Amino acid sequence: ETGVTQTPRHLVMGMTNKKSLKCEQHLGHNAMYWYKQSAKKPLELMFVYNFKEQTENNSVPSRFSPECPNSSHLFLHLHTLQPEDSALYLCASSQDGTGTGELFFGEGSRLTVL
Amino acid sequence: GQNIDQPTEMTATEGAIVQINCTYQTSGFNGLFWYQQHAGEAPTFLSYNVLDGLEEKGRFSSFLSRSKGYSYLLLKELQMKDSASYLCAVLDSNYQLIWGAGTKLIIKP
Repeated sequence: ETGVTQTPRHLVMGMTNKKSLKCEQHLGHNAMYWYKQSAKKPLELMFVYNFKEQTENNSVPSRFSPECPNSSHLFLHLHTLQPEDSALYLCASSQDGTGTGELFFGEGSRLTVL
Repeated sequence: GQNIDQPTEMTATEGAIVQINCTYQTSGFNGLFWYQQHAGEAPTFLSYNVLDGLEEKGRFSSFLSRSKGYSYLLLKELQMKDSASYLCAVLDSNYQLIWGAGTKLIIKP
C-alpha cells in the first residue's frame, strides 16, 4: 500500500469510447503526476499538477485530457484513443513539484485499446 | 539528447550479490534515483544519490560517480522476492526526471 490508489486496475475500450482513469492519494502531497509505461520503454511523463495547477504537459495528444479538482484527486479522461495508446498508466504523487522528492506511485491502470 | 542506459535483463542466484549499472548523459545533474517495481505493482523508491560515493541501506547499496556519469545498485544476500525491475532515473538541470527503461532482475534458486 503506497497511499496512492488508482481505479480501474484494468480497462478495455474501443477506439470510439470515452472512459476515465481515477487516482487518489492519501498522503497530503501537493503534486500529482500521470505517467505512461510501455513494455521495455522508459517511463513517459504526461502531466504534472502542483497545488491543483497544471505545470507540465509533455506534448501529450489531446485525446488525453487531465483533470485535477483538488490536491488529492487526479483524473485522466480518454476519448478516441488509438491501439498504440495501450499501456500501463501510472499515477504518482510527491510532497511538492520540485522533482527532488520521492515519488509515490499507484499500481497503475492497464489500458487496452481495441 | 538525454539518455539513460541500463541492462535490459540480468539473472542471479539466491544468496549471491548482483550489481545493476546505470550510465547517463543528461543536461545537468541534480540527483539520481533508483526504484524497484515488482510485476503488476507500483514502483517504490529505493534510493536517491546526489553526491559521489556509496550509500548503504540494509542489503541494498547505491553508488554514484558524477564525473563518470555512472551509478550502480548493489543487492546483497539475494532473496527470491528481489525478482523485480529496477528503474534508474536522473534529475536534470531543469529538475525533470529522465528515466531508464529498467532492468529486469531474475533470481534463481
